[in-house]
Amino acid sequence: AQSVTQLGSHVSVSEGALVLLRCNYSSSVPPYLFWYVQYPNQGLQLLLKYTSAATLVKGINGFEAEFKKSETSFHLTKPSAHMSDAAEYFCAPPDNAGNMLTFGGGTRLMVKP
Amino acid sequence: DAGVIQSPRHEVTEMGQEVTLRCKPISGHDYLFWYRQTMMRGLELLIYFNNNVPIDDSGMPEDRFSAKMPNASFSTLKIQPSEPRDSAVYFCASSVLAYEQYFGPGTRLTVT
Repeated sequence: AQSVTQLGSHVSVSEGALVLLRCNYSSSVPPYLFWYVQYPNQGLQLLLKYTSAATLVKGINGFEAEFKKSETSFHLTKPSAHMSDAAEYFCAPPDNAGNMLTFGGGTRLMVKP
Repeated sequence: DAGVIQSPRHEVTEMGQEVTLRCKPISGHDYLFWYRQTMMRGLELLIYFNNNVPIDDSGMPEDRFSAKMPNASFSTLKIQPSEPRDSAVYFCASSVLAYEQYFGPGTRLTVT
């Protein structure tokens, strides 16, 4: 069964520093991969999605992610962190049947002034 | 587009009472999902519907939980009787394709 590993349940960066949130999937190459963001006291919001059309995917708020088949990874990056980026981020591939999302445990990003 | 609408946003109730959470999916979306989020267990899928039909309810914790979708624009999640361990944030999500889901703002349930 498809599963996902998000390394680091908490990541802390300084404002202006590079953001790198890691995601590795476990099974065969998924046709789709998603990153969701959850701001405090809000629902999950789609940040970006990979659909095999391009390995480098740009999302909202300056985030991007690169699909690397050789590394079974889909890490999320942003060149310069803003205070407003503080949130929880979830990596989510579809399950093997493609019927639903398999959410990772989430990574809480903290941004220090 | 109004997005997924959930009500109420907050619910405080006493143990043993019935609780009903409501969800209006995005128009045109064929899939509807109910999730529960807690600090201890993270985000859990409870049940999902396709074209108003329940497809997988294996995540429903026990018989106290039930969900219905009487039409394409409305779904309910009911807990009867409620217990303190049911305290969580409950999310509804909808989608055209099952995997690109759009989430509502959630209902924060507190059972005392």
